[in-house]
Amino acid sequence: NTVMTQSPTSMFISVGDRVTMNCKASQNVGTNVDWYQQKTGQSPKLLIYGASNRYTGVPDRFTGSGSGTDFTLTISNMQAEDLAVYYCLQYNYNPWTFGGGTKLELK
Amino acid sequence: EIQLQESGPGLVKPSQSLSLTCSVTGYTITSGYDWSWIRKFPGNKMEWMGYISNSGSTNYNPSLKIRISITRDTSKNQFFLQLNSVTTEDTATYYCARYTLYYSSYYFDYWGQGVMVTVSS
Repeated sequence: NTVMTQSPTSMFISVGDRVTMNCKASQNVGTNVDWYQQKTGQSPKLLIYGASNRYTGVPDRFTGSGSGTDFTLTISNMQAEDLAVYYCLQYNYNPWTFGGGTKLELK
Repeated sequence: EIQLQESGPGLVKPSQSLSLTCSVTGYTITSGYDWSWIRKFPGNKMEWMGYISNSGSTNYNPSLKIRISITRDTSKNQFFLQLNSVTTEDTATYYCARYTLYYSSYYFDYWGQGVMVTVSS
């Protein structure tokens, strides 16, 4: 299976911070990566598809980038409502596999 | 508005079968898209389990292939998950989700709220 390794596993941040989290694939997955946000008690929500395409209604402070094996999700101006766990997902190889998540917490 | 809603028992005994239903409103599951099951384990790990397509074909995660079955009832616009021979390691929150192809990209765009299932005697 394709292993998706996310780093860091958690981050302590302040409102207004620029936040960068990473996802590394164990093999080349092209740009076949999505990013999801999951807040406590809610189901995951799609943020980014195809590595860099912002989904409908997603604020432009969320940016995805990368290709091949290395991917990044950046939040340019962290808001309190962005506190959540963020997951990457690759769909280039069956079975589709998720990263272990990056949890954002307030300092 | 498209909505998905999981239902089923919250407690299953080891070695028994786990059976869940996903009821879809706002879209007919035979009209398009693929319909998936995904689970989240305690500690945040997530696993794609499989899907049933709009035509009724299935695709399962090989790690579950001998235990999993996804079926549907088109008259009720529902699809189902059956996982056999469960162990405590199957304790998780189970989500159903719609899997969409948009140009050359795939994504899960609609999710149910999730149902927590505990495997315990």
